Amino acid sequence: GQQVMQIPQYQHVQEGEDFTTYCNSSTTLSNIQWYKQRPGGHPVFLIQLVKSGEVKKQKRLTFQFGEAKKNSSLHITATQTTDVGTYFCAASTTDSWGKFQFGAGTQVVVTP
Amino acid sequence: DAGVIQSPRHEVTEMGQEVTLRCKPISGHNSLFWYRQTMMRGLELLIYFNNNVPIDDSGMPEDRFSAKMPNASFSTLKIQPSEPRDSAVYFCASTGLNYGYTFGSGTRLTVV
Repeated sequence: GQQVMQIPQYQHVQEGEDFTTYCNSSTTLSNIQWYKQRPGGHPVFLIQLVKSGEVKKQKRLTFQFGEAKKNSSLHITATQTTDVGTYFCAASTTDSWGKFQFGAGTQVVVTP
Repeated sequence: DAGVIQSPRHEVTEMGQEVTLRCKPISGHNSLFWYRQTMMRGLELLIYFNNNVPIDDSGMPEDRFSAKMPNASFSTLKIQPSEPRDSAVYFCASTGLNYGYTFGSGTRLTVV
């Protein structure tokens, strides 16, 4: 079945630095979504990507969908302590309409 | 909008007891999902409903788990009998057509 792999599993970042987390699939995806979960909280929807090669930005966050629609990335610039949390990608395929499989997440720790 | 409402927020129960978790999705959302989150297994999809009809329950661990959605504004997840390995955070999420999930705050279940 569809497997969604996220790397890295953990990311320690110095405040002010940039980092990138990646989401990879062995199958072609129709949609990919990104979520953020703060410690003790619930996942919160950030963005959805649909088109091949699509790039979307939210302030310091840049999301990209690969040309082959098999991978995605989330890049955060000038990391702040408010960026602490776990970032999940969630992917769906054309034969799993409405059903998104979540990756294991990248847990981000920010050092002041 | 109050968002997705789950109850209770915390539940501690003894092994063998029946546990019922409740969820009120966002009005107008036609899909509802039950997820379980643990450190070891991450976010697991248990079951999802579309227009109150169960579409995919392949993630339900075993016959001890059951879920219902009697109407568009209410769903339950029941565990009977509960076991210590069922301890986890259970999330309910809802969504409209082809958009991001809105998660509830979750129910933290502890079975002792």
